[in-house]
Amino acid sequence: KAGVTQTPRYLIKTRGQQVTLSCSPISGHRSVSWYQQTPGQGLQFLFEYFSETQRNKGNFPGRFSGRQFSNSRSEMNVSTLELGDSALYLCASSAGLGDTEAFFGQGTRLTVV
Amino acid sequence: QQPVQSPQAVILREGEDAVINCSSSKALYSVHWYRQKHGEAPVFLMILLKGGEQKGHDKISASFNEKKQQSSLYLTASQLSYSGTYFCGTDAGNTGKLIFGQGTTLQVKP
Repeated sequence: KAGVTQTPRYLIKTRGQQVTLSCSPISGHRSVSWYQQTPGQGLQFLFEYFSETQRNKGNFPGRFSGRQFSNSRSEMNVSTLELGDSALYLCASSAGLGDTEAFFGQGTRLTVV
Repeated sequence: QQPVQSPQAVILREGEDAVINCSSSKALYSVHWYRQKHGEAPVFLMILLKGGEQKGHDKISASFNEKKQQSSLYLTASQLSYSGTYFCGTDAGNTGKLIFGQGTTLQVKP
């Protein structure tokens, strides 16, 4: 069974640009969550999608957005990049809600210069 | 609110035991435990649902005290492979929204 796949693995962008990250969940999983991980802030919840609907949202500015497609693949977009957006972005997929385990992808390392 | 983990860091010798605690200011529906090694993705360890159950596999177990809104992860007879950062993630209402603690770094030395 293939795991969670995130692309690209590494990305370097310039301030002011926008970026799109992709996450393919485990086959059959309909929930995809996104997290930002930085040394100072730890794992911060961004948002969670289930069957193409955003069910939960964290405390991030509107520059961070996402969507989920009918095949459960999800994308995350960050517009007008700032230096502080440099982080490891992780997605996790699960079959259900908070009572089921979540599997993380390897992440996308975003560096904003 | 982010759950609080303690201790922040712990250093052990192989074979020693450790306990990592996770406390929340909110009532919890579930607690999830993950381990992350440097440069790798977090790996699922176990999930505990409200009801005060205890779970375990191999030499790693966990408990969940719903009333105290606390969970503890127990690592017995630690092995070198246990080194990493341990995170607890909490879900207040079976929403699928996991809020993680700041992590506990565990280092096991020979």
